[in-house]
Amino acid sequence: EAQVTQNPRYLITVTGKKLTVTCSQNMNHEYMSWYRQDPGLGLRQIYYSMNVEVTDKGDVPEGYKVSRKEKRNFPLILESPSPNQTSLYFCASRETGFGAGELFFGEGSRLTVL
Amino acid sequence: AQRVTQPEKLLSVFKGAPVELKCNYSYSGSPELFWYVQYSRQRLQLLLRHISRESIKGFTADLNKGETSFHLKKPFAQEEDSAMYYCALSGLRNRDDKIIFGKGTRLHILP
Repeated sequence: EAQVTQNPRYLITVTGKKLTVTCSQNMNHEYMSWYRQDPGLGLRQIYYSMNVEVTDKGDVPEGYKVSRKEKRNFPLILESPSPNQTSLYFCASRETGFGAGELFFGEGSRLTVL
Repeated sequence: AQRVTQPEKLLSVFKGAPVELKCNYSYSGSPELFWYVQYSRQRLQLLLRHISRESIKGFTADLNKGETSFHLKKPFAQEEDSAMYYCALSGLRNRDDKIIFGKGTRLHILP
């Protein structure tokens, strides 16, 4: 089954404690992206990657890091989480190129930073 | 600037009434437009894309290049249509595949 898998789905942590949210896709997609979803602000892109070892900032990259060492994985790293990073996070992937098609989303990771 | 605008944060419609969710865009090249839907506590999923010209769950959307709009329509709303709807845009021909989302419209179907 084609899917994007995120872990953990729920996490409560404290300010400053480094954490990683993993994302894995099994569709051999080149493009992967992280979004955060906040009430009234919709989806905002954090980082995206067009291929292995190629990453770019989205609209709200501050406080986040990513890496793309393998095609299937695109972890999101919060080196020193702060309460304003409390949010619902979605990972997504798609093909690239002409008429590349839909984004496939993970189920979301709800993060609370105390 | 590349932008997707959904002017309504919340839209309440009675069951059986027509629905129209507005989406306007600004894009310098040839855009591909999408509608994504997010039901309560679920992941976002594709509802429609303009190049496929399909009708999904009774919803349709037509790309109007003159008005730079891609409004989502359904003639008769159903309670299960209650969800968050996002309009999104991507470049159709260039390899910069940054996908731009609107802020979303929450559709609430009243019984």
